[in-house]
Amino acid sequence: EAGVAQSPRYKIIEKRQSVAFWCNPISGHATLYWYQQILGQGPKLLIQFQNNGVVDDSQLPKDRFSAERLKGVDSTLKIQPAKLEDSAVYLCASSPGLAGGLYNEQFFGPGTRLTVL
Amino acid sequence: AQRVTQPEKLLSVFKGAPVELKCNYSYSGSPELFWYVQYSRQRLQLLLRHISRESIKGFTADLNKGETSFHLKKPFAQEEDSAMYYCALSAYGGSQGNLIFGKGTKLSVKP
Repeated sequence: EAGVAQSPRYKIIEKRQSVAFWCNPISGHATLYWYQQILGQGPKLLIQFQNNGVVDDSQLPKDRFSAERLKGVDSTLKIQPAKLEDSAVYLCASSPGLAGGLYNEQFFGPGTRLTVL
Repeated sequence: AQRVTQPEKLLSVFKGAPVELKCNYSYSGSPELFWYVQYSRQRLQLLLRHISRESIKGFTADLNKGETSFHLKKPFAQEEDSAMYYCALSAYGGSQGNLIFGKGTKLSVKP
């Protein structure tokens, strides 16, 4: 089966600009996650969707970050306006199980490396 | 607060030597613990989970609730084990299964 797809793979922008990332999860996966991974850190969850509904966005900086998962398949993550501290790898992951289920393996995409100058 | 601690940023061993990557967690409930691995230029992928109690690529990990640890072990390291290893916790039944990752340990196996 095809894995999680993400685009673009790399993006360089200046601070205060806007940027958007796209994710296509594995077909049939109900749950989709966006993580932020700053250099030297582990991934940190930004937002979790189950189908097209938000399960958890408690760590999403909502003043500048937004995400949507229309039709419960693809998802986009947007930053507007970007700050220097947003430089990171943004990972998308999907899981076949429903949120809260015992089986919770997450399959990760290749990530988008964002550099904010 | 839920937290995962991996005390070593870098672990360097010679081929054939035993390896242990340490992981300690903080969580008051019943967690699920995982080890994820990222090989060079590859995606982050699941290595093993504690509920399976299985050995993957020679690696094992035992959940010790008394010591709140989930150390990853392999008796004889191979060069192909060189990678970044992340310990992760999922608050089962609590926060919808979100993963909380440690900062990771880079394992380098020298020939």
